[in-house]
Amino acid sequence: AQSVTQLDSHVSVSEGTPVLLRCNYSSSYSPSLFWYVQHPNKGLQLLLKYTSAATLVKGINGFEAEFKKSETSFHLTKPSAHMSDAAEYFCVVSPPSPNNNDMRFGAGTRLTVKP
Amino acid sequence: DVKVTQSSRYLVKRTGEKVFLECVQDMDHENMFWYRQDPGLGLRLIYFSYDVKMKEKGDIPEGYSVSREKKERFSLILESASTNQTSMYLCASSLGGFMGTDTQYFGPGTRLTVL
Repeated sequence: AQSVTQLDSHVSVSEGTPVLLRCNYSSSYSPSLFWYVQHPNKGLQLLLKYTSAATLVKGINGFEAEFKKSETSFHLTKPSAHMSDAAEYFCVVSPPSPNNNDMRFGAGTRLTVKP
Repeated sequence: DVKVTQSSRYLVKRTGEKVFLECVQDMDHENMFWYRQDPGLGLRLIYFSYDVKMKEKGDIPEGYSVSREKKERFSLILESASTNQTSMYLCASSLGGFMGTDTQYFGPGTRLTVL
């Protein structure tokens, strides 16, 4: 079984300061891990994914995440927040299932960016 | 770019009505998914389809059915809508066959209110 916990339901930062969104996972297998972003009234869009290659994964819009197996974490970071980063972010864990139908979504972290 | 479209952005129905939510993808993807998104719960899988006429139950299939008569179209059916089915419904598609590493592409969502 697998699950994911997003440690903060809401994060607020000032524009230009670093962003850290925390995610811990639990999995019986070597999982794939994803971060998706959802802007208001939009569907989810893939930010980045880890699939057992490099542990530091770079995504779109300057975001990156580091897979740490010893800590079972996959935290999302960005050096400098932009107003357009305000959105909801979902961490997702997926076991190696053939049809990719067992993805587990975290509850989401809402990021607010203050001017 | 992959495009996933959903037939309605907002829908208001009455208790007991039969409700159809339609989803179309234009990238010849094998897999299609219906999720329900509720605040604080993330996304939960309702049904999944890995081929035309093939379907599998997700985590919360009760009160829902699906239909996939053509590869590009996946319909979610609420046989008799109830107020506890008021939610945001998201459709997604993926290429398939990547053992858990597959990216899912999401539609914009349908916000359903059942009165």
